[in-house]
Amino acid sequence: DAKTTQPPSMDCAEGRAANLPCNHSTISGNEYVYWYRQIHSQGPQYIIHGLKNNETNEMASLIITEDRKSSTLILPHATLRDTAVYYCIVRDSGGYQKVTFGTGTKLQVIP
Amino acid sequence: DTGVSQDPRHKITKRGQNVTFRCDPISEHNRLYWYRQTLGQGPEFLTYFQNEAQLEKSRLLSDRFSAERPKGSFSTLEIQRTEQGDSAMYLCASSSSKDRDHNEQFFGPGTRLTVL
Repeated sequence: DAKTTQPPSMDCAEGRAANLPCNHSTISGNEYVYWYRQIHSQGPQYIIHGLKNNETNEMASLIITEDRKSSTLILPHATLRDTAVYYCIVRDSGGYQKVTFGTGTKLQVIP
Repeated sequence: DTGVSQDPRHKITKRGQNVTFRCDPISEHNRLYWYRQTLGQGPEFLTYFQNEAQLEKSRLLSDRFSAERPKGSFSTLEIQRTEQGDSAMYLCASSSSKDRDHNEQFFGPGTRLTVL
């Protein structure tokens, strides 16, 4: 799996958009970008994934640069419940694939 | 609740004792994974089952660790002769091989092990 680089921590004001960056300069053509988050004392939770195109679901939006070397997870209106560690992962989709987590970004949403 | 469940949620044991954890995956999921997470780190892969077959084991899984999934449903992870370095959160996840386009893994709440 390609390696990813994320800032160790970020703050965001409640109600504002949280933009979490991720660099994955060694991503290969068949690898997807996945985002998970882990709220304190819980297991990781899948958020979103994408290959080339930008993606949006009920939780977040994922913006992938044209060269696919970086991406940004956007939480449009952050709430206190979004305080968590966010992991950016790149891997093949489908089939059996263990998830290789890094250390992620600790997002603190501030009232 | 139809998510992944793990039991117990917390376990405190003395060094040298054996412990066993249980994971019940989402009922229609045939793939099951165990991960270990230490403080400040992301989860690390330990082992993977498809149905009852254990198909991959990480080098992190020393010979004191054994995992089983005898009927392809629930799984157990046993640690023999526990050491203080085994203190961690043990996470279980499951997924379905029918989802060919996207292997989303659903994680349980974890079992936090403390070895004294």
